[in-house]
Amino acid sequence: DVKVTQSSRYLVKRTGEKVFLECVQDMDHENMFWYRQDPGLGLRLIYFSYDVKMKEKGDIPEGYSVSREKKERFSLILESASTNQTSMYLCASSFGAGSTGYTFGSGTRLTVV
Amino acid sequence: AQSVAQPEDQVNVAEGNPLTVKCTYSVSGNPYLFWYVQYPNRGLQFLLKYITGDNLVKGSYGFEAEFNKSQTSFHLKKPSALVSDSALYFCAVRDIGGATNKLIFGTGTLLAVQP
Repeated sequence: DVKVTQSSRYLVKRTGEKVFLECVQDMDHENMFWYRQDPGLGLRLIYFSYDVKMKEKGDIPEGYSVSREKKERFSLILESASTNQTSMYLCASSFGAGSTGYTFGSGTRLTVV
Repeated sequence: AQSVAQPEDQVNVAEGNPLTVKCTYSVSGNPYLFWYVQYPNRGLQFLLKYITGDNLVKGSYGFEAEFNKSQTSFHLKKPSALVSDSALYFCAVRDIGGATNKLIFGTGTLLAVQP
């Protein structure tokens, strides 16, 4: 069974901390994505990557960075966590040019206090 | 720019009745359309997709969706709702531009099925 695994289901961090959210996929997908989900706003794209060491900004990249050193792993970094980054974070991966859709991880619910 | 709209925040339906969750889209060119479902505190699960071919697409858990080009709609349907269908449903369209296949998601529709 193909999988996208996010390292933590629930996370509580303090304001100002550096936070790492990890995502690993076992499907050899080229494309990986980080979204945040907030009530009434749907899913908003933070960053995505279409190859190792390649990254592109999504719609809301401010306050975030990413790292993709290996094909299977895509990390989201909150350089200095703030309370407005409290959210559900979803990682996804996909193959090819767009006909296959995404496979999602189970999500990480991050609370910044 | 590509976009997708889900006009209803919530849909209520009685168990056993047919259900429809609405989605409209705006794209340049031929659309790739998707439906996903999200159960509480979980990630999104793929339900079905339209790429080309028959306008009626069948998917997981007895769901189907009808692609209507003239109305630019891709409504999700099920003939007989189950309480277990209660979840958050997202419509998505592929974003044509750029180096990869980004999906643009709607804001989601909460489906509540009453026993």
